[in-house]
Amino acid sequence: DVKVTQSSRYLVKRTGEKVFLECVQDMDHENMFWYRQDPGLGLRLIYFSYDVKMKEKGDIPEGYSVSREKKERFSLILESASTNQTSMYLCASSTTAEAFFGQGTRLTVV
Amino acid sequence: AQKITQTQPGMFVQEKEAVTLDCTYDTSDPSYGLFWYKQPSSGEMIFLIYQGSYDQQNATEGRYSLNFQKARKSANLVISASQLGDSAMYFCAMRGFSGGYQKVTFGTGTKLQVIP
Repeated sequence: DVKVTQSSRYLVKRTGEKVFLECVQDMDHENMFWYRQDPGLGLRLIYFSYDVKMKEKGDIPEGYSVSREKKERFSLILESASTNQTSMYLCASSTTAEAFFGQGTRLTVV
Repeated sequence: AQKITQTQPGMFVQEKEAVTLDCTYDTSDPSYGLFWYKQPSSGEMIFLIYQGSYDQQNATEGRYSLNFQKARKSANLVISASQLGDSAMYFCAMRGFSGGYQKVTFGTGTKLQVIP
């Protein structure tokens, strides 16, 4: 069975902390994505990666960075967490015809 | 740039009736794909259906069908014989290419509520 696993289901962090959200897929997919989901705004693309060490900005990259050192792992980094980054974060990996999602990480920045 | 628009924030449907969820898209890519996902209150994203831009026939998966009208740039989801378990958020998404690389963009979603 296809699997995308996010390291945490819930996280609470303080303003100014550096935050790492980890995502691992076991399907050997080249394409991986990070989204944030907010009520009324749907899923907004933060960053995506099409290969190891390769990354592209999505629609809302400000305040975030990513790392992809291995094909199966795609990390989202909040350099200095702020309260407006409180959100649900979803990781996905994809083939041409389907994107597979992790269970999501609900991040609260206090 | 690629964009997905879902204009219905919320909809109601009677159980056993059919319902259409609207989705329009904008892209300059000649090749692209369109998806629909369901997100129940549990939060998981469930893949429903996929349509490629060059597919000649509309995609169907059980009670789900995608009404693909390429000239109008629309990809509406039709759910036949609605069930109470269909109550959820529904997202339309598009796979396009950004600088030669695959990019998947989502709409804002439609909240469907099925009434007994």
